[in-house]
Amino acid sequence: DIQVTQSPSSLSASVGDRVTITCQISQNIYNYLNWYRQRQGRAPELLIFVASSLEDGVSPRFSGSVSGTSFTLTISSLQPEDVATYYCQQAYTAPFTFGPGTRLDLK
Amino acid sequence: EVHLVESGGALVEPGGSLTVSCQVSGLKLKNAWMTWVRQAPGKGPEWIGRIMGDDYEEPREYAQNVRGRFTISRDDLKNILYLEMTSLRPEDSAVYYCVHPSRGGSVATSGLGYWGQGTPVTVSS
Repeated sequence: DIQVTQSPSSLSASVGDRVTITCQISQNIYNYLNWYRQRQGRAPELLIFVASSLEDGVSPRFSGSVSGTSFTLTISSLQPEDVATYYCQQAYTAPFTFGPGTRLDLK
Repeated sequence: EVHLVESGGALVEPGGSLTVSCQVSGLKLKNAWMTWVRQAPGKGPEWIGRIMGDDYEEPREYAQNVRGRFTISRDDLKNILYLEMTSLRPEDSAVYYCVHPSRGGSVATSGLGYWGQGTPVTVSS
């Protein structure tokens, strides 16, 4: 199975900060990588698909990028509603593994 | 708009069986690609299986740790997706989500954009 790791596992930032989360994949997945945000007590919600495409209705402060097998989610200006756990998911081949998550809270 | 509502979660003894359901509205279930994802307490989501269109020779795929124990099926007339679980283990305890890709695509091309609220399953004696 494809291995998915995320870093950092947690971070604290202030409103307005630029935040970056990284997802490392164990093999080439041809940009088939999704990002999700999960707020406390809710189901995950899709933010980014195919590495850099913004899901309909998602704020443009979220963006995704890729370099080889390393994928990055960037929040350009952190807002209070972004306090959540963020997961990446490889979507290249089954099983479509999720990363272990990055917990983001406010400083 | 697509709306997914899971039900049927319960407390089950180890070795027992349970079927959870997902009532689907806003799309025709026949030939829709549907996925089940679970999330254990304090853990990340775990993809456990999917059902694809009938034109696929093998329309169902499962994660290795549930293969042979879990079965995904659907009732096209009632528009209900099912997850039948047998030989349940304590490590199967989780919230089970019914999920559909955005824009009628696949997890690869569109991501998983539609999620239900989940139904909790607890396996314990």
